[in-house]
Amino acid sequence: AQTVTQSQPEMSVQEAETVTLSCTYDTSESDYYLFWYKQPPSRQMILVIRQEAYKQQNATENRFSVNFQKAAKSFSLKISDSQLGDAAMYFCAYRVDQTGANNLFFGTGTRLTVIP
Amino acid sequence: DAGVIQSPRHEVTEMGQEVTLRCKPISGHNSLFWYRQTMMRGLELLIYFNNNVPIDDSGMPEDRFSAKMPNASFSTLKIQPSEPRDSAVYFCASTPGLTGEKLFFGSGTQLSVL
Repeated sequence: AQTVTQSQPEMSVQEAETVTLSCTYDTSESDYYLFWYKQPPSRQMILVIRQEAYKQQNATENRFSVNFQKAAKSFSLKISDSQLGDAAMYFCAYRVDQTGANNLFFGTGTRLTVIP
Repeated sequence: DAGVIQSPRHEVTEMGQEVTLRCKPISGHNSLFWYRQTMMRGLELLIYFNNNVPIDDSGMPEDRFSAKMPNASFSTLKIQPSEPRDSAVYFCASTPGLTGEKLFFGSGTQLSVL
């Protein structure tokens, strides 16, 4: 069974500083995708970044980057130069790369507070 | 593109009443998902459709929940009768259907059952 674990229920960071959110997952599959979604107080789920498991290179999107360790089944999110607008719940998610197996499994989330 | 559209945004009802949540996926997307979000259980998949056909409804809590997708542009999630423990945010999401594609989420429906 696929599971996604986020061990940090809450994190805080000073504005302009860097923070890393942790995520581990359990799977027997070799081909899959990993995602980080952001959920601000508006409730909207917004994709932050996506990583293909077959790619060794870590994905980056502006101030957001991941540290993908396939052997360790770890997928952490680094936010650089944190901004007030980064305050939100962050969810790590996993999706197997298999036709018909479309479910996206979510972790329990990490609430990020950005301190001015 | 208007994105995934859900209605209503908020719903308050009394225990025992029927509740219908609505979703319009992004045009051209073949897969549609219904998720429920609560503090205790996080985001749970209730059911998903591919090409309007239910593929996996194992997450539907019980017979009080039902979902339909009569066409590619509309889906409903119905709870009858509703109970206080059904109070949650219900999200609809769609995707083009290709593996690995991200899910596009609607804004959710906040359901409160009194």
